[in-house]
This record gives sequence, structure tokens and C-alpha cells, in this order.
Amino acid sequence: NAGVTQTPKFRVLKTGQSMTLLCAQDMNHEYMYWYRQDPGMGLRLIHYSVGEGTTAKGEVPDGYNVSRLKKQNFLLGLESAAPSQTSVYFCASSLAWGERNTIYFGEGSWLTVV
Amino acid sequence: AQSVTQLDSQVPVFEEAPVELRCNYSSSVSVYLFWYVQYPNQGLQLLLKYLSGSTLVKGINGFEAEFNKSQTSFHLRKPSVHISDTAEYFCAVRENFNKFYFGSGTKLNVKP
Repeated sequence: NAGVTQTPKFRVLKTGQSMTLLCAQDMNHEYMYWYRQDPGMGLRLIHYSVGEGTTAKGEVPDGYNVSRLKKQNFLLGLESAAPSQTSVYFCASSLAWGERNTIYFGEGSWLTVV
Repeated sequence: AQSVTQLDSQVPVFEEAPVELRCNYSSSVSVYLFWYVQYPNQGLQLLLKYLSGSTLVKGINGFEAEFNKSQTSFHLRKPSVHISDTAEYFCAVRENFNKFYFGSGTKLNVKP
């Protein structure tokens, strides 16, 4: 089972460049999330989506945009990358209700902004 | 907003010794509680969860956790650790609308 798949796994960007991280899930989950993980800070929610065509801001949304055009995909965009956005990014998904709301994670995307 | 506190950033322990990783949360309303494990360069995997019922929850790899509502705690325990348990462990709390809040993580380092 694929579960939650993130691409790319590794990327190096120059300051000011733009890029998009793609997340795909094959579990028919309604909810999808983007987190960033930084040393000593745990996981912080960037944006999330409760369904196709809807998105909402999390704890640290500045500098990021997202889109959920299809239920199975959740894209995270950096319009003008900054060194502060160097981090590991995790996509996750969950059912809205049922299966007692367990959240499933992708393998992570390592982004370095130089 | 909810806050999740993992009191120890690193826990060194010898193989076959018992271990407890501590987690406290702030909300007094009904919550769902989770522990996740992250092995190096991998995503987070669910270790166990408390949703309702018995306050002692058993998970994979011999881990268990106890929900204590009065102390708003959800500590993770294992009676005898193995080298393969070396990883980072995250406590998480779910509130309304599927918003998950994560602690800052505890790195468990099992020494031979």
C-alpha cells in the first residue's frame, strides 16, 4: 500500500526561487496536512485542508501557499524561498470521522535553501 | 490553543532497562492522545493511541502508555528496551476538527 507519498524527497533551492512539494494519498482521506519539522520544535502545522477545494492556515503559514484541487493531492508551494524555510516537510492525511481519527504521514521532504 | 509538553528532549538508557517518556498536555476538554515514533530519515509511525475506555493503552513493539486525566498526562513506557528502539518519539493531542498538536519530541538513545 502506498499510503501517503511525497515528492521530491530532497531539494536544494537558492534564495528567491520557487518550488512545489506534491503530496498524494490513496486512502480516500478527507483531511490533509502539511507540517514542517525543525530541531527541538517538533512538528508545526503549516496549512491543512478539510476537503477538496478547501484550505486553511495552520500555526506557521507565512511564506507558503497550498492547493487541493483533487481530493487525493495536496500541494505546498514556496513562492520565494528563504533560508528560514530550510526544514523537513511532512505531509499527512486522515479521515474526517471514523477509524478514530488516526493521522498518517509521508516519508518527508528535505528542503535546503541556500 | 492546545499545548503538548514533552519534558525530556533526550533520554539515554541501557539496553534491557525500563524507560518512561513523559508527555503532558494543556487542555481540560476531551482529547484523543497519540504517541508516534520516528526512525532516522523516515516519517512518523503510529505507536499507540488513547481514544476512550481503559486508561492503559498497549501499542506496537511492547510499548504502553497510561492516560491520567487529573494530571493531563500520557506517559509512554517500556519495561525492557532494545537497541532497535533508538528513535525520536512524539506525543500528540487531537482536538476538534482533526487538528493535531505535537510535542517537541524525545530522542531515545538505547546504549548496549
